[in-house]
Amino acid sequence: DTGVSQDPRHKITKRGQNVTFRCDPISEHNRLYWYRQTLGQGPEFLTYFQNEAQLEKSRLLSDRFSAERPKGSFSTLEIQRTEQGDSAMYLCASSLWGEQFFGPGTRLTVL
Amino acid sequence: GQQVMQIPQYQHVQEGEDFTTYCNSSTTLSNIQWYKQRPGGHPVFLIQLVKSGEVKKQKRLTFQFGEAKKNSSLHITATQTTDVGTYFCAGPYYGNNRLAFGKGNQVVVIP
Repeated sequence: DTGVSQDPRHKITKRGQNVTFRCDPISEHNRLYWYRQTLGQGPEFLTYFQNEAQLEKSRLLSDRFSAERPKGSFSTLEIQRTEQGDSAMYLCASSLWGEQFFGPGTRLTVL
Repeated sequence: GQQVMQIPQYQHVQEGEDFTTYCNSSTTLSNIQWYKQRPGGHPVFLIQLVKSGEVKKQKRLTFQFGEAKKNSSLHITATQTTDVGTYFCAGPYYGNNRLAFGKGNQVVVIP
C-alpha cells in the first residue's frame, strides 16, 4: 500500500501519560500535515511541515504538543501529560500540491 | 479568522433523489476543496475548484465555486447508498498552508 500510514491506529492512555504517534506519508510528498478531529467536527489544523521544516503551528498546539519530521520523511506527534480533552482522532495528511491525502488516523482515548 | 460554514449539517436523502450541500466562507478563497469521509473512515479528496464561477462534474456529482469565491456547492443526482458519508469543504487561510474545514454535511441514504 503506497498511501499514508499511521501508527498506532488506536491508543488508550491514562491522564498524565505521554504518547507518541507516527505518520509515514506518501514517499514523494514533501508536505505533511497533522490534524485533530472530534466527533461531529471537521479536521482542525495542528501543524505543517515542508520537508523537514515545521513552517506552521496552530494555536491549538499547546506546549504539551510537539511534532518532528527529522529527515523530511516520516513524522511524529508527541503529546506530553495527556488530558481528557486530548481524546480525539489524530489525522496525518501529505501532499505535493493542493490535494491532501489522509492517513487512517490514530484514535486517542485518555482515561 | 477564517471560517468555513456548511449547511445543512445533516441530511436524510431517499435513494434515487437529488440533494445539494452548501459551503460558505467568511473571506474570499483562493481555492476550495471538497472531501468525503465515510463512516469510520478518513477524509478522501474529491475535487479542487480555483476559478470564479467554476463548475466541475464527476459522474453524478457537480461542484460549483461562486462568482465571489466565497461559497461553493456540491449537488448529487440519483443518490445511491454508496453516497453515504460526511462531505467537507475546506479553504486555505494564512497563505495556502492551512486548510480550514467546515463541520461537514452528514448524509444518510434511505433505501
